[in-house]
Amino acid sequence: ELKVEQNPLFLSMQEGKNYTIYCNYSTTSDRLYWYRQDPGKSLESLFVLLSNGAVKQEGRLMASLDTKARLSTLHITAAVHDLSATYFCAVANTGNQFYFGTGTSLTVIP
Amino acid sequence: GAVVSQHPSRVICKSGTSVKIECRSLDFQATTMFWYRQFPKQSLMLMATSNEGSKATYEQGVEKDKFLINHASLTLSTLTVTSAHPEDSSFYICSALGSAGYGYTFGSGTRLTVV
Repeated sequence: ELKVEQNPLFLSMQEGKNYTIYCNYSTTSDRLYWYRQDPGKSLESLFVLLSNGAVKQEGRLMASLDTKARLSTLHITAAVHDLSATYFCAVANTGNQFYFGTGTSLTVIP
Repeated sequence: GAVVSQHPSRVICKSGTSVKIECRSLDFQATTMFWYRQFPKQSLMLMATSNEGSKATYEQGVEKDKFLINHASLTLSTLTVTSAHPEDSSFYICSALGSAGYGYTFGSGTRLTVV
């Protein structure tokens, strides 16, 4: 079974600061996804990374993928309160099944 | 964009009864749908993969006789929780894989509470 680990599990950061969330996975995959989840809600798609070296940016969030290291990062720039949520990475196997990371609960403090 | 409708959004049932959750792809055909379970403050765990017209494939540790999955058409998959118990209380989320290949769309989730 494909295993996906995220760190940190909990992140409390001040507005305006930068931080990076890490996502490691155990077996080869060339498809990595990042999602945001607000309390009591389903998942909101943030990024789809499909190749080694892929980098995507949307607003204050930037995601990258290193398939050789089996590592993806989600970088937060100049955090704002609206970014407070739980962030999940997910990796798809060859059977198109998703395996989610443990999640990172982000709280941005004014 | 692709939309997946999941219904109901919330359901409360008594122990021992069965509950059916529907997952519909509204504007695309989904040959494959996935069912996940999420306990409070935990990650999403894949329960099963369902392909239209065939039996679902269950992940290790998921009881197929308890969580019945039917994928009778290209736009509808259902999950029935049979003989529900309080420990089945959870957030259930479906997702559908579109024909474009890499596009997954998640439903809005169903909060099941068994009392």
